[in-house]
Amino acid sequence: QVQLQESGPGLVKTSETLSLTCTVSSGSVSSGDYYWSWIRQPPGKGLEWIGYIYHSGSTKYNPSLKSRVTISVDTSKNQFSLKLSSMTAADTALYYCARVEMTMVRGVINYFFDYWGQGTLVTVSS
Amino acid sequence: DIQMTQSPSSVSASVGDRVTITCRASQAISSWLAWYQLKPGKAPKLLIYAASSLQSGVPSRFSGSGSGTDFTLTISSLQPEDFATYYCQQTTNFPYTFGLGTKLEIK
Repeated sequence: QVQLQESGPGLVKTSETLSLTCTVSSGSVSSGDYYWSWIRQPPGKGLEWIGYIYHSGSTKYNPSLKSRVTISVDTSKNQFSLKLSSMTAADTALYYCARVEMTMVRGVINYFFDYWGQGTLVTVSS
Repeated sequence: DIQMTQSPSSVSASVGDRVTITCRASQAISSWLAWYQLKPGKAPKLLIYAASSLQSGVPSRFSGSGSGTDFTLTISSLQPEDFATYYCQQTTNFPYTFGLGTKLEIK
């Protein structure tokens, strides 16, 4: 069973950069069958996709966050990471990491998030 | 961005009830839709992918249907562990987007 675990600071100051890491167990970030993604959920709000990375380092980001986001992968540690700069109170959220599966379904490649971490709460405060 | 509209936003039901949640996309997304179950303090769980394919290990009381813009998630006979919040998600276009969720509460 694949497991993902987020780690990082629970409190970040306004204007600073958030750094989170997702450690993957019983699975490999080097696999060509998956992307690795970050998603967040502000308190009382819905889910927002942040972006994903492929083992090659290729990335795709949500345009709403693109100017502030960097996702990277460390295959030697079986981890991938999120950096979000210029943090504000609006970035306070539960941050999840997840695996994105690519599967052929009825002749079409489908993408879906099949394994998630439990999430880590990040609060932005001055 | 593709907007995903879920309804209802909350529903109260009893163990054994049949519940249907709907999700409407602002443009056609073929069958590129997934459903997730979220519970506080737990990792979100994939229930349905490709609109109607049941994820391995998910009980058969969960089912999904639809294509194009209109989709449904049905729980045929609610169990106590099913009380949670459910989200739909499209992966047709970037950015991937989610509905605002449907909170399923015990009546």
